[in-house]
Amino acid sequence: QQQVRQSSQSLTVWEGETAILNCSYENSAFDYFPWYQQFPGEGPALLIAIRSVSDKKEDGRFTIFFNKREKNLSLHIKDSQPGDSATYFCAANPASSGSWQLIFGSGTQLTVMP
Amino acid sequence: GPKVLQIPSHQIIDMGQMVTLNCDPVSNHLYFYWYKQILGQQMEFLVNFYNGKVMEKSKLFKDQFSVERPDGSYFTLKIQPTALEDSAVYFCASSLGSANTEVFFGKGTRLTVV
Repeated sequence: QQQVRQSSQSLTVWEGETAILNCSYENSAFDYFPWYQQFPGEGPALLIAIRSVSDKKEDGRFTIFFNKREKNLSLHIKDSQPGDSATYFCAANPASSGSWQLIFGSGTQLTVMP
Repeated sequence: GPKVLQIPSHQIIDMGQMVTLNCDPVSNHLYFYWYKQILGQQMEFLVNFYNGKVMEKSKLFKDQFSVERPDGSYFTLKIQPTALEDSAVYFCASSLGSANTEVFFGKGTRLTVV
């Protein structure tokens, strides 16, 4: 049973469009949600993160929308660029419980067509 | 940005043999992690290490696994003996603070047990 679920294995958008990557979770104790970006041959790198006390976090072209009641969140990438083509992992952590582990989704492979 | 280095990038080992995966974490980081990713699946937490001790481990961290960081050098994951199902990419990670601060990942070591 996946605790963090990314509904799309892959997503293709055109350059300039907004890419929307969805994520849902099961455990109400999760309160920290980072998104990681991974290019082939590289390790995952933190892109942006949100805590459950917020419903939105913005950093440049990247925005997380968070719905605690529905237990889902989405990553919006505005004005997508071919260089954004990568795999994006949604993750969660029950930080307030003292657990150290990040629970990862299975990732969404984003392709931005020029 | 800060780098976590993993050596080697790929290792092939005979089933039943011992293997040690090496990780050079970010220099001032205090918390160290290992994650396992089987091809096509999500990354899964194995263990967290702080102040010379295992703080948390998952059910994937079998008795055949051990971690250490002797004298502040490499953070290592040892598997003895290896099994076929240990074939995966192992990611080392480190962070300055607890899990809801930025966790930096290495590029991974692909372990193939034959």
